Amino acid sequence: DTGVSQDPRHKITKRGQNVTFRCDPISEHNRLYWYRQTLGQGPEFLTYFQNEAQLEKSRLLSDRFSAERPKGSFSTLEIQRTEQGDSAMYLCASGRGLANEKLFFGSGTQLSVL
Amino acid sequence: DQQVKQNSPSLSVQEGRISILNCDYTNSMFDYFLWYKKYPAEGPTFLISISSIKDKNEDGRFTVFLNKSAKHLSLHIVPSQPGDSAVYFCAASYQTSYDKVIFGPGTSLSVIP
Repeated sequence: DTGVSQDPRHKITKRGQNVTFRCDPISEHNRLYWYRQTLGQGPEFLTYFQNEAQLEKSRLLSDRFSAERPKGSFSTLEIQRTEQGDSAMYLCASGRGLANEKLFFGSGTQLSVL
Repeated sequence: DQQVKQNSPSLSVQEGRISILNCDYTNSMFDYFLWYKKYPAEGPTFLISISSIKDKNEDGRFTVFLNKSAKHLSLHIVPSQPGDSAVYFCAASYQTSYDKVIFGPGTSLSVIP
């Protein structure tokens, strides 16, 4: 169990640029989640995958956001035309897809949009 | 509309004393509750959970109490240790939506040596 890893840890970008984050879940986990956390708030659900299928997307996820998990292993989250309001910690978590299971979180990618 | 509330942004406790972190929820459909702990520059890690069919769950120094009628739960840490200093998130889910866990805003606990 090597844990959930996220890359990069920090990303600074200018408004209007596109950014992409990567998440590598725990290998035997078929569920993968993306959350976003802003200062003083708890993680907010964005989307999740069951293997390669994206099963739910939050209303928070605007059309500028897209997530993929092409082979059911790692996932990418892309933000197009970034805005200052996108500045946040983007957290990835994985699980086995069991009822009432705990999620395993990565350390997150801190995005700053200037 | 915040479904999971933690009304105390911060809490300071002396080492060795009890820490009590509170959480309130509004959605009566929630039937499973979790506490996560988060250190700076790390992701949240699972601490303890409780099902709505129970009113108490204990794991070492950590105990979670659930009062369904009041839609309230609390996390007790006894005795508190400096290593417990972290942000604690209360989270909830319900049967038809295990896929989505709703987090509260967190309480920052400082345990003073």
